[in-house]
Amino acid sequence: KNEVEQSPQNLTAQEGEFITINCSYSVGISALHWLQQHPGGGIVSLFMLSSGKKKHGRLIATINIQEKHSSLHITASHPRDSAVYICAASYSNYQLIWGAGTKLIIKP
Amino acid sequence: DTEVTQTPKHLVMGMTNKKSLKCEQHMGHRAMYWYKQKAKKPPELMFVYSYEKLSINESVPSRFSPECPNSSLLNLHLHALQPEDSALYLCASSQGLGTTGPLAKNIQYFGAGTRLSVL
Repeated sequence: KNEVEQSPQNLTAQEGEFITINCSYSVGISALHWLQQHPGGGIVSLFMLSSGKKKHGRLIATINIQEKHSSLHITASHPRDSAVYICAASYSNYQLIWGAGTKLIIKP
Repeated sequence: DTEVTQTPKHLVMGMTNKKSLKCEQHMGHRAMYWYKQKAKKPPELMFVYSYEKLSINESVPSRFSPECPNSSLLNLHLHALQPEDSALYLCASSQGLGTTGPLAKNIQYFGAGTRLSVL
């Protein structure tokens, strides 16, 4: 069964802290997506990874294919980073298997 | 322009009403998707259109009827909904659905969603 697990479920941190959210998946994938959703809002695609590491501003995503594990890091976190972060795995050409999400709160 | 526009943002309807949700993108994407998201749950795929043809229907009840009039527009027609259909409805698009070629064409761009309440 294709499964995607995220941790932690909830994360509260102070502004400026380095944030790490983890994602593991059960079988080989074609790509791993990281997405962001603000309360009551739509979803923004942050990264799509099939190997290595990607960086965009203060966000960094890494993936280890052998370990079947990916991480999303936020450097110098800010209250506006507060959102739900979701990882989703592509196993075929359209289907996304979604993690349960990590609710991140950054306190000023 | 990497925007997927959904209208309306909010919709309240009775169980006997007929209403439609609209989704538009001008990125030249040929795949479009409808998802349903309940509170604190990940999105659930409902329908996928590829080149304006329905490719995937994830066993969605017939009270939800999708339509793709052209490559930029995707509608979801609603009729005789139930209160449990209240949810956030998200539209997404991607360049394509293929397993060959650059993976980037499978990146899905999401709209802001329509918050639907069925009374």
